[in-house]
Amino acid sequence: EAQVTQNPRYLITVTGKKLTVTCSQNMNHEYMSWYRQDPGLGLRQIYYSMNVEVTDKGDVPEGYKVSRKEKRNFPLILESPSPNQTSLYFCASSLLAGGTAGELFFGEGSRLTVL
Amino acid sequence: AQTVTQSQPEMSVQEAETVTLSCTYDTSESNYYLFWYKQPPSRQMILVIRQEAYKQQNATENRFSVNFQKAAKSFSLKISDSQLGDTAMYFCAFSDNAGNNRKLIWGLGTSLAVNP
Repeated sequence: EAQVTQNPRYLITVTGKKLTVTCSQNMNHEYMSWYRQDPGLGLRQIYYSMNVEVTDKGDVPEGYKVSRKEKRNFPLILESPSPNQTSLYFCASSLLAGGTAGELFFGEGSRLTVL
Repeated sequence: AQTVTQSQPEMSVQEAETVTLSCTYDTSESNYYLFWYKQPPSRQMILVIRQEAYKQQNATENRFSVNFQKAAKSFSLKISDSQLGDTAMYFCAFSDNAGNNRKLIWGLGTSLAVNP
């Protein structure tokens, strides 16, 4: 089954404790991206990657890091989480095909609470 | 700046009836893509329908269709024969595909409740 898998689905942590949210896709997609969803603000892009070892900032990259060492994985790292990073996070992937905007496939979301 | 506006925060419809969700957007681009995504209570975003701006024909997917008015920058979603499983948040999204980044500009969503 084609899917994007995120872990953990739920996490409560404390300020300053490093954490990683993993994302893996099994569709051989080149493009992967992280979004955060907050009430009243919609979804905002954090980082994206167009291929292995190619990553770039989205609209709200501060406080986050990513890496793309393998095509299927795109972890989101919070080196020193703060309460303003409490949010619902989504990983998404897409097949990169020329200039055509392809469908984004989303994971089930990770609810993160930073105390 | 490109923006997407959904003017209806909440809507409800009776099962089997038809409902239309509104979306307007602002862009200076001539070629772009518009999407409707559905987010059920399970939270996972699912693509409902996609429209390419250079195509004049309105996209249709089973019970879902759009009314794309390029000049008016309007992209409404019509759901026919509404079903209980259609209850969800619906997000309108825009992409100009600049630099092959699949970044979507999202509206704030419309919460749709389908009542039995």
